[in-house]
Amino acid sequence: EAGVAQSPRYKIIEKRQSVAFWCNPISGHATLYWYQQILGQGPKLLIQFQNNGVVDDSQLPKDRFSAERLKGVDSTLKIQPAKLEDSAVYLCASGNNSPLHFGNGTRLTVT
Amino acid sequence: GENVEQHPSTLSVQEGDSAVIKCTYSDSASNYFPWYKQELGKGPQLIIDIRSNVGEKKDQRIAVTLNKTAKHFSLHITETQPEDSAVYFCAASIGNDMRFGAGTRLTVKP
Repeated sequence: EAGVAQSPRYKIIEKRQSVAFWCNPISGHATLYWYQQILGQGPKLLIQFQNNGVVDDSQLPKDRFSAERLKGVDSTLKIQPAKLEDSAVYLCASGNNSPLHFGNGTRLTVT
Repeated sequence: GENVEQHPSTLSVQEGDSAVIKCTYSDSASNYFPWYKQELGKGPQLIIDIRSNVGEKKDQRIAVTLNKTAKHFSLHITETQPEDSAVYFCAASIGNDMRFGAGTRLTVKP
């Protein structure tokens, strides 16, 4: 089966600019997650979708981060405006209960 | 919410030796415990997992043990090889809510 697809692979922006990441989960996976992985740390959950509904966004900084999964398949994560501390790898994962399958992530550098 | 602690943060072993990574979790309701391997520039990949109704699981050179009473679980890699060098993450989940440890960087010296 095809894995979780993410794009772009890398993105460099200046602080206060906006950026968007895209994720296409494994076909048939109802649950989709966005994780933030800061260098040297484990993945931290930002938001979890079940189909096109939000299950958990308690750790999403909603003043600057937003995410959607309009048709219950693809998802986008947006940051506006970006801060230096947003520099990280943004991982998308999908699954039906367990286990989770991860994409290769988007590495964001904010300068 | 669930809190997962992982030790050690770095581990260096000689090729052929065994490596052990330990994790503890806080929520006794957690019922699924996967281990992921992450290589440079890639996303985490599942290498083995265990559910709360099982105490031990083995897959070739990799094994995981779970002590529900003590709320800790461990990853054991035997006969380590240089290609085992990577960052390893443990996780604990309740349903679809999965939380990760901070990771262990394993280096296997040839």
